[in-house]
Amino acid sequence: ETVMTQSPATLSVSPGERATLSCRASQSVSRNLAWYQQKPGQAPRLLIYDVSTRATGVPARFSGSGAGTEFTLTISSLQSEDFAVYYCQQYNNWPITFGQGTRLEIK
Amino acid sequence: QLQLQESGPGLVKPSETLSLTCSVSGDSINRDNYYWAWIRQPPGEGLEWVGSVYYTGSTYYNPSLKSRVTISVDTSKNQFSLNLSSVTAADTAVYYCASTPAYDGNTFSWGQGTLVTVSS
Repeated sequence: ETVMTQSPATLSVSPGERATLSCRASQSVSRNLAWYQQKPGQAPRLLIYDVSTRATGVPARFSGSGAGTEFTLTISSLQSEDFAVYYCQQYNNWPITFGQGTRLEIK
Repeated sequence: QLQLQESGPGLVKPSETLSLTCSVSGDSINRDNYYWAWIRQPPGEGLEWVGSVYYTGSTYYNPSLKSRVTISVDTSKNQFSLNLSSVTAADTAVYYCASTPAYDGNTFSWGQGTLVTVSS
């Protein structure tokens, strides 16, 4: 099983600042890595797939990078609506696995 | 645009079988670039992939649930289904149906989720 480890568990950032979230895979996932945003009571929303491709309608302040086993989601200038929980997901290897999530909170 | 909708009982008794159906609209379930998945999220916890099915009927299951899970596809109804047997309180969760790409591109989509509570 490919274990996905996200860090930090909680990130406190002020609005307007940059947030950097990390995701590490226990083995290579090639470019089959996605990022999701989840707000309370809502289904996860796809932000990024294939490491760095923004999903339709996702603002340009969201960007993804990385390769192999180390990946990063960067939010360049945090808006109030960005405070949520973020998950990474690998879909290269069975079973599909998720990271445990990073909670992005207002500082 | 692909849309997925879960349906099924919101309350299941311990030791019984949880059964959910996902109705797919906006595209055919027979398309070869989709895996059809079930994902769950216990209250206050993270996301757990339950399993996936391909339109051919090929299945992939979470090893931790494999002995209790069956996922099937009904191409005539454009639906796929989840059966989880011998449930306990630990299976209480929001269950999402979703799609992921089989080859490439953005074939990701999620249903809104349905809460299933296991309780007598």
